[in-house]
Amino acid sequence: KAGVTQTPRYLIKTRGQQVTLSCSPISGHRSVSWYQQTPGQGLQFLFEYFSETQRNKGNFPGRFSGRQFSNSRSEMNVSTLELGDSALYLCASSLDPGGRTQYFGPGTRLLVL
Amino acid sequence: SQQGEEDPQALSIQEGENATMNCSYKTSINNLQWYRQNSGRGLVHLILIRSNEREKHSGRLRVTLDTSKKSSSLLITASRAADTASYFCATVLNDYKLSFGAGTTVTVRA
Repeated sequence: KAGVTQTPRYLIKTRGQQVTLSCSPISGHRSVSWYQQTPGQGLQFLFEYFSETQRNKGNFPGRFSGRQFSNSRSEMNVSTLELGDSALYLCASSLDPGGRTQYFGPGTRLLVL
Repeated sequence: SQQGEEDPQALSIQEGENATMNCSYKTSINNLQWYRQNSGRGLVHLILIRSNEREKHSGRLRVTLDTSKKSSSLLITASRAADTASYFCATVLNDYKLSFGAGTTVTVRA
C-alpha cells in the first residue's frame, strides 16, 4: 500500500498570504489528523477529520482550517500567514478515530517570510 | 500544553549499548504510543501500549507503562547507528486526541 502523501513538500510564502496543504491518506484509512511541528512548541495537534467531519480540534486560531473530502483526502488552509506559522506540517492517517496507530506523511515545510 | 514530557532531552551512546528514555504524563490515558522521527521527516510508529498493559516488546524495543506513576519508558537494546533519531511519546486521552511530548534526541556513535 502506498503511504501517506503530502503536497507540496516545501513552500515559501509571505506574511498575509494564505496557503493550502494537501494530504492523501493510506487507502482504506478514513481518519486524517494534522499536526504542526516547530522547534519551540514541538508537535501540536491541529485537528482530526473522520467521514468529512471535524472530530477534534486543537488550540489554534481560526486562521487554521481544514476539510476532508468523500475520498478521505484532506486539506488544511492557513489564512493571513504570520511569521510564526513557519513550521513542518504533518498529516497522519488511521483506519478510524479512537486513538489508533497513526501513519504519518513526510510533511510540508512552510516558510513564511 | 503538552501532556507527555520525555526525559532526557538528549542522549548520546555507543553503538551496541542500550538506550532508555522516559515519558511522564499528567492525566489518565487511553493508551500511550512511541514514535521515531529521523531528521525533520515524518514520524514512524514504534509501539502502542494500552492503559491496562504493563509491558510490550517489539524486536529490540521494550516499552513499560506504570499508570500509578503516570510514566512510561522506552528501551532500545543493542543500539545501531540507524537508531539515531528523535523519539516521542504520545498520550491518547479518552477523547482520542494524541498529545506529543517534546521528544528525546538519541545519537548513536559508531
